[in-house]
Amino acid sequence: DGGITQSPKYLFRKEGQNVTLSCEQNLNHDAMYWYRQDPGQGLRLIYYSQIVNDFQKGDIAEGYSVSREKKESFPLTVTSAQKNPTAFYLCASTGQYSYNEQFFGPGTRLTVL
Amino acid sequence: GIQVEQSPPDLILQEGANSTLRCNFSDSVNNLQWFHQNPWGQLINLFYIPSGTKQNGRLSATTVATERYSLLYISSSQTTDSGVYFCAVSGNTGGFKTIFGAGTRLFVKA
Repeated sequence: DGGITQSPKYLFRKEGQNVTLSCEQNLNHDAMYWYRQDPGQGLRLIYYSQIVNDFQKGDIAEGYSVSREKKESFPLTVTSAQKNPTAFYLCASTGQYSYNEQFFGPGTRLTVL
Repeated sequence: GIQVEQSPPDLILQEGANSTLRCNFSDSVNNLQWFHQNPWGQLINLFYIPSGTKQNGRLSATTVATERYSLLYISSSQTTDSGVYFCAVSGNTGGFKTIFGAGTRLFVKA
């Protein structure tokens, strides 16, 4: 089955530690995205990547970093510089055009203790 | 950038009732989608509808691109329709950047 997988589903970390969230897709999509969702709020764009080895900052990129070494993978690192990292993180992907339909993974809930 | 406003912010329905959710956007778009976020957080694609009208079972959607709004209709609502409904757009000049509205939180009572 084609789709987007995110792991782990739940993640707990101590304050000050970097943590990397995984996102993999087998839809052969070119573009991939990371969003953050806080309780009761909408989605905010962290980073997006249109092609391999290229990515752009979204609206709330500070304290986050990404890489896009393979078409299928777009990992997100939440660094210790992110002041409020506890949130629900969603990964998405679309085809090669900006007007293509976007599909989402199941999300990772990160809690920083 | 494009602004997306959804209304109403919250909606409580009795099972079996109909409802209309609205999404207004501030600029021309090349992509508009409606999503349902279930209680586990999963975003489920409902409609990809940059213009025109589509129907899928009890749900239908209409986008009037020239007037910059989209409507999501839910008929004969069921308790499983509860959750948050998001509208998301990408603009003709924004490239791949997608903007989400704040969502409409729907609760359907049995």
